[in-house]
Amino acid sequence: NAGVTQTPKFRILKIGQSMTLQCTQDMNHNYMYWYRQDPGMGLKLIYYSVGAGITDKGEVPNGYNVSRSTTEDFPLRLELAAPSQTSVYFCASSRRDPNSNQPQHFGDGTRLSIL
Amino acid sequence: AQKVTQAQTEISVVEKEDVTLDCVYETRDTTYYLFWYKQPPSGELVFLIRRNSFDEQNEISGRYSWNFQKSTSSFNFTITASQVVDSAVYFCALRNQTGANNLFFGTGTRLTVIP
Repeated sequence: NAGVTQTPKFRILKIGQSMTLQCTQDMNHNYMYWYRQDPGMGLKLIYYSVGAGITDKGEVPNGYNVSRSTTEDFPLRLELAAPSQTSVYFCASSRRDPNSNQPQHFGDGTRLSIL
Repeated sequence: AQKVTQAQTEISVVEKEDVTLDCVYETRDTTYYLFWYKQPPSGELVFLIRRNSFDEQNEISGRYSWNFQKSTSSFNFTITASQVVDSAVYFCALRNQTGANNLFFGTGTRLTVIP
């Protein structure tokens, strides 16, 4: 009963380093999302995908890239880490959602600090 | 534009008290969906409820109830006979039927239930 799995749970990066946050889901959901949550704030959408091979920008995409080669996986890449990217990152998935009413299922989050 | 406002940043109640968390939203869409998520201290996001804009029936699930009023653009959440396990941050979120497939989150209300 894994649901949405994110790795790693914690990471510290130096400014300018790159890394990939992994996200995988085993519910055969078409839709996947990446959000960031800054302290004391709600979540903001970075990127989303409605199916393998299809990705699109959300509210705050700058500094990030994504790919969706399979239904299960939706990795998020930071190419040049900056202090402003210190945040908690959440991956989520939902069923195919033409009416926008499906609940999103979230992973446990990745806490990322850029120093 | 869409916006979700949770004016209560933090609330503390004594166990067994009732508590209402407020949520006010703005959207230009006529069809939209409202959600409540719970984020316990462990950090993950747990889906609680979804409400469609065309269904103003209130809902009760155990100790939880939700009051949706389109006239005041509010979707308030009441916990009856609160318990320590209810301590968490609660997020209200909005999703439009049109546009990007993302949730617009409020900034959350941190609820502390004191034993």
